[in-house]
Amino acid sequence: NAGVTQTPKFRILKIGQSMTLQCAQDMNHNYMYWYRQDPGMGLKLIYYSVGAGITDKGEVPNGYNVSRSTTEDFPLRLELAAPSQTSVYFCASSYGRVQPQHFGDGTRLSIL
Amino acid sequence: GESVGLHLPTLSVQEGDNSIINCAYSNSASDYFIWYKQESGKGPQFIIDIRSNMDKRQGQRVTVLLNKTVKHLSLQIAATQPGDSAVYFCAENSMDSSYKLIFGSGTRLLVRP
Repeated sequence: NAGVTQTPKFRILKIGQSMTLQCAQDMNHNYMYWYRQDPGMGLKLIYYSVGAGITDKGEVPNGYNVSRSTTEDFPLRLELAAPSQTSVYFCASSYGRVQPQHFGDGTRLSIL
Repeated sequence: GESVGLHLPTLSVQEGDNSIINCAYSNSASDYFIWYKQESGKGPQFIIDIRSNMDKRQGQRVTVLLNKTVKHLSLQIAATQPGDSAVYFCAENSMDSSYKLIFGSGTRLLVRP
């Protein structure tokens, strides 16, 4: 099993551009999550999904959108990129709420 | 509000010694706690978890202690090795926070040879 796979690993965007961060998991987990991690900080939840077709906002959803058309994939969309969105983005998945979340290795995104 | 915090931002230990990383949480409704290890350039890696109906859980070289009375969580690493050098995060979850894991800001563990 590959676990949680995130692409791309690095990306530089100009202000106002848009992009999609990809996340895929092969563990048949129902729950998937997107976090952002700013330097020296913990992780903050952007969006999460409890199953295909179901998504909900986390702590910091503004400026982002998600979709969950399949169990495996949970892409994160940035529209109109802003410098404040410079961060490392992590995708995670879990079998249930009281089960460990398994993380990908992140996408390092810079908005210039 | 909900918060998870750590007492020590950096912990330096001698190789072979035991390490103790502490974490305080404020939400008394939290019923699930996790410790993660994060190495530079990588995503958080699950170490050990504990539910609120337990006060201690052991893994391989690691032990998590939960004190619900004072809302305190600790991670003990036995015989610390250079490969244990990383940032360690505690995280909590509760039914009233839905599926949101609340992360602390992390403690950096440095292992001296």
